[in-house]
Amino acid sequence: DARVTQTPRHKVTEMGQEVTMRCQPILGHNTVFWYRQTMMQGLELLAYFRNRAPLDDSGMPKDRFSAEMPDATLATLKIQPSEPRDSAVYFCASGLVRSGMNTGELFFGEGSRLTVL
Amino acid sequence: GDSVTQMEGPVTLSEEAFLTINCTYTATGYPSLFWYVQYPGEGLQLLLKATKADDKGSNKGFEATYRKETTSFHLEKGSVQVSDSAVYFCALSDVLTTDSWGKFQFGAGTQVVVTP
Repeated sequence: DARVTQTPRHKVTEMGQEVTMRCQPILGHNTVFWYRQTMMQGLELLAYFRNRAPLDDSGMPKDRFSAEMPDATLATLKIQPSEPRDSAVYFCASGLVRSGMNTGELFFGEGSRLTVL
Repeated sequence: GDSVTQMEGPVTLSEEAFLTINCTYTATGYPSLFWYVQYPGEGLQLLLKATKADDKGSNKGFEATYRKETTSFHLEKGSVQVSDSAVYFCALSDVLTTDSWGKFQFGAGTQVVVTP
């Protein structure tokens, strides 16, 4: 059963520490997204990649956040330094876009719950 | 820009009751519309979708019809079960333009609680 895998599931850290979240998209998917979910803001798109190239990261605070895809099986989201306001659930999602065929379906991971003290 | 507005929750109802969650959208183009569901502790998963006006999406007893004239995509289920307790998100995306695909606009989510 193909699924998006995220690690860690839970992370508690202190303000100022670096946090790295990892995502393994579904094999064969060529588009990967990072979303942040909070009670106040709901779901926010932070960044997304197509064929490992960043297409849009306008939703991401550039001074402390960075997103990369070192290879097709790994996407990372880093926060350095972390702040209490970064506390949220971070979701990775993947999908497949091919010329002439686009299901429009996102497959979400179970999320990484981050708490910054 | 594009946006989605859905009714606030929580919506609390008894098992076998009728469920409606209202969703309206604003879009400049011709988006596809989706309902995603999030069960406790899990990520979102696609419930149903509709890609053009008058299309009806359906799955697991849920239905929604893409109404262009009222810019709406209301979710309905005739008889809910306790297992339907979850948060439901209405969303839109322009999936016809592959460069922008993936820029989903999600509503705020509506929590549904079904009691036995």
